[in-house]
Amino acid sequence: QLQLQESGPGLVKPSETLSLTCTVSGGSISSDSYYWGWIRQPPGQGLEWIGTIYYSGSTYYNPSLKSRLTISVDTSKNQFSLKLSSVTAADTAVYYCARDPGGYGDYHWGQGTLVTVSS
Amino acid sequence: QTVVTQEPSFSVSPGGTVTLTCGLTSGSVSTSYYPSWYQQTPGQAPRTLVYSTNTRSSGVPGRFSGSILGNKAALTITGAQADDESDYYCVLYMGSGIWVFGGGTKLTVL
Repeated sequence: QLQLQESGPGLVKPSETLSLTCTVSGGSISSDSYYWGWIRQPPGQGLEWIGTIYYSGSTYYNPSLKSRLTISVDTSKNQFSLKLSSVTAADTAVYYCARDPGGYGDYHWGQGTLVTVSS
Repeated sequence: QTVVTQEPSFSVSPGGTVTLTCGLTSGSVSTSYYPSWYQQTPGQAPRTLVYSTNTRSSGVPGRFSGSILGNKAALTITGAQADDESDYYCVLYMGSGIWVFGGGTKLTVL
């Protein structure tokens, strides 16, 4: 059974880089046609699509975050990662990783992890 | 900048039918936007209900259905149950690998 688990620091200081990892179990991150993505949700607010990486390595980013964002895959560890630089309080959110077979929005979600940006 | 719109709130009686919509501030939603729908209860991760307009995700009961109604995507819940009380989000594909979520609809069953 596919499981995705987010991990990383729960507290990040302003201006620093937020780094999260999603560990995939029950499936290979290298499988054909799968997209691996990040979505976030500020406290009490709606969902925001952050970006996606295709199994081949192609990346697609939210234009509003693109200048600060890097999503990458580590096939040896069956993980994919998010790095968001120069964070502010506005980046405080629950961050979800997800798998989308085929890129049509059929997300299989991780449980999410809260990241707070504060000094 | 085009924004994805959803009703902020909606209510339905138990056993009733409700249709939530997902539109654009500029233009019409079509199947080319691959509209998808997600259900979220407080403190939980979202759950995928429908993707690519009208395909139910694995394990989703048939009382959830997706469609295009006029110039919007729609999620219809037939025979609403108490545990359908949740937040519902749609997402649209904008091209070039980019997706945009709507602001969500808070559904009350009473």
